[in-house]
Amino acid sequence: DTAVSQTPKYLVTQMGNDKSIKCEQNLGHDTMYWYKQDSKKFLKIMFSYNNKELIINETVPNRFSPKSPDKAHLNLHINSLELGDSAVYFCASSQFKNGPQETQYFGPGTRLLVL
Amino acid sequence: GEDVEQSLFLSVREGDSSVINCTYTDSSSTYLYWYKQEPGAGLQLLTYIFSNMDMKQDQRLTVLLNKKDKHLSLRIADTQTGDSAIYFCAEKGTGTASKLTFGTGTRLQVTL
Repeated sequence: DTAVSQTPKYLVTQMGNDKSIKCEQNLGHDTMYWYKQDSKKFLKIMFSYNNKELIINETVPNRFSPKSPDKAHLNLHINSLELGDSAVYFCASSQFKNGPQETQYFGPGTRLLVL
Repeated sequence: GEDVEQSLFLSVREGDSSVINCTYTDSSSTYLYWYKQEPGAGLQLLTYIFSNMDMKQDQRLTVLLNKKDKHLSLRIADTQTGDSAIYFCAEKGTGTASKLTFGTGTRLQVTL
């Protein structure tokens, strides 16, 4: 009974291709996130959705487009993949609370390698 | 903007205590977290502390927060080889956008 799951776990693809990564959470949370972890292990937020509405959109190329069909899913589509997109992409979810702590739970990551 | 810094590497002997340090710049941080990442795995939440607390203990883990100096530490008592991992501190600011800003990560190596 995985809380936050991502598919695929590994993705190897050629430069210029378009690919999607899927994320699902069964925690009943209303907020989901995508983070990117580079080769130096530095983690940075990319996007966040609350109740299917985009609430965080960091400086990310337009080639990256998140889509949230419902509260339990947040997918990431990447167009025209570049070598620099190679990284581990983590999905996370949390329950928004007005003020107090909102612990984020992370998925296992998708390791993307662009050749 | 927010900035969270950690030392990159720490090596300790099994059975000793480990102390992982973190400094942050956002004085409006509400919660501070410690996550653990084992090789090839995702991030596992270890513990968190609310910004109006200065200490939290959870079994072998002790979190100390010096809000004046914006300094956070994680102490692991009786460190085991299974504790070898990368440890990330993260801070959450105020506002409706629940963004976590992560530190650079500290790789803890536990030797026999």
